[in-house]
Amino acid sequence: DARVTQTPRDKVTEMGQEVTMRCQPILGHNTVFWYRQTMKQGLELLAYFRNRAPLDDSGMPKDRFSAEMPDATLATLKIQPSEPRDSAVYFCASETTSDNEQFFGPGTRLTVL
Amino acid sequence: AQSVTQLGSHVSVSEGALVLLRCNYSSSVPPYLFWYVQYPNQGLQLLLKYTSAATLVKGINGFEAEFKKSETSFHLTKPSAHMSDAAEYFCAVRRNSGNTPLVFGKGTRLSVIA
Repeated sequence: DARVTQTPRDKVTEMGQEVTMRCQPILGHNTVFWYRQTMKQGLELLAYFRNRAPLDDSGMPKDRFSAEMPDATLATLKIQPSEPRDSAVYFCASETTSDNEQFFGPGTRLTVL
Repeated sequence: AQSVTQLGSHVSVSEGALVLLRCNYSSSVPPYLFWYVQYPNQGLQLLLKYTSAATLVKGINGFEAEFKKSETSFHLTKPSAHMSDAAEYFCAVRRNSGNTPLVFGKGTRLSVIA
């Protein structure tokens, strides 16, 4: 049963600390998305990649967020320094160019104190 | 630009009653439309999708949705609610081109009363 995996599932950190979230897309999926879910804004796109190349990261605060795909099996989202307003659930999703369905991971719940 | 509006942030129905969750879309091009469900502390799971084929789309768990271009709507229905249907439901849209990001509605929380 192929699934998108995300680590960690929960992260509590203090303001100013670096946070790294990881996502393993489904094998063979070449498009990866990062979304953030908050009560206030709902689900919003942060960035996405196709064949490991970034296509759109306009949803990310550039001064503190960065997203990369070191290889086809790993996507990372990094926040440095973290702020309390970054507290949210971060979802990774993946899909293939031949499908029309994004598969979501379980999310990383981030709490910045 | 594409957008969706979900009417009602919270809907409550009795077990066995009809479920109707409303979604209206705005799109300058033919849209792809989706309904996702989110159970507590879990990711999103696809219920069904419209991709310009049949206007009545059947999904998992007995849900279906009808694409109505004249009303720019894509409402989700289920004839008989079950306790296990209690969850958050999201309508989403994207451009009629492959693998672009989803634009989500604010979500509707469905409660099912025994």
